[in-house]
Amino acid sequence: QSALTQPASVSGSPGQSITISCTGTSSDVGGFDYVSWYQQHPGRAPKLIIYDVRNRPSGVSNRFSGSKSGNTASLIISGLQAEDEAEYHCTSFTTGGTLVFGPGTSVTVL
Amino acid sequence: QVQLQESGPGLVKPSETLSLTCTVSGYPLTSGYYWVWIRQSPGKGLEWIATIYHTGTTYYHPSLKSRVTISVDTSKNQFSLKLSSVSAADTAVYYCASLRSYYGSRFDFWGQGTLVTVSS
Repeated sequence: QSALTQPASVSGSPGQSITISCTGTSSDVGGFDYVSWYQQHPGRAPKLIIYDVRNRPSGVSNRFSGSKSGNTASLIISGLQAEDEAEYHCTSFTTGGTLVFGPGTSVTVL
Repeated sequence: QVQLQESGPGLVKPSETLSLTCTVSGYPLTSGYYWVWIRQSPGKGLEWIATIYHTGTTYYHPSLKSRVTISVDTSKNQFSLKLSSVSAADTAVYYCASLRSYYGSRFDFWGQGTLVTVSS
């Protein structure tokens, strides 16, 4: 299985919105609505922020939202804040019951 | 609240077997979650390694399958990872986590991670 594709980095100014893409194939992202997103600050474990493409766990800010079109899922962060500066990882369920991650996207708040 | 804690040697010699245990507290291993191991090589992205259900059903990353064994001990509320014939490429932070369901990628709870270095 091949890793999902994410941009290496995305940046934005405070208050702006940014979008992080996560591209796979019909065997993973495109084939199932089982894409999740994780936020990871340096030295910390990842934290679930979006699951099943667009659902937010309890306690996660509504500034985070998710969507999917075809083989590409997207994470949108609106009202960018300094605390959003982190690494963001996407993952998807795949055929055969395996799971695949993207390489991660570093978000910088300018 | 589910809490997970990894334990095991931080240094493993090349060609030997890496062994880690994840102790779960606050939630019985038998109560519906799946349990996984994920790793992150220095400066790299996350990599799913394996999944297990309390019944013993397992799923493995295709490229690691020949070297990996995941197991569960419900009496201790623990699950474990063994990775054989390790090399420097296996140096990583290893995380254990809970997976909400087979059909999904929702890792709700994570351990803090443990760094394993492969070196002689």
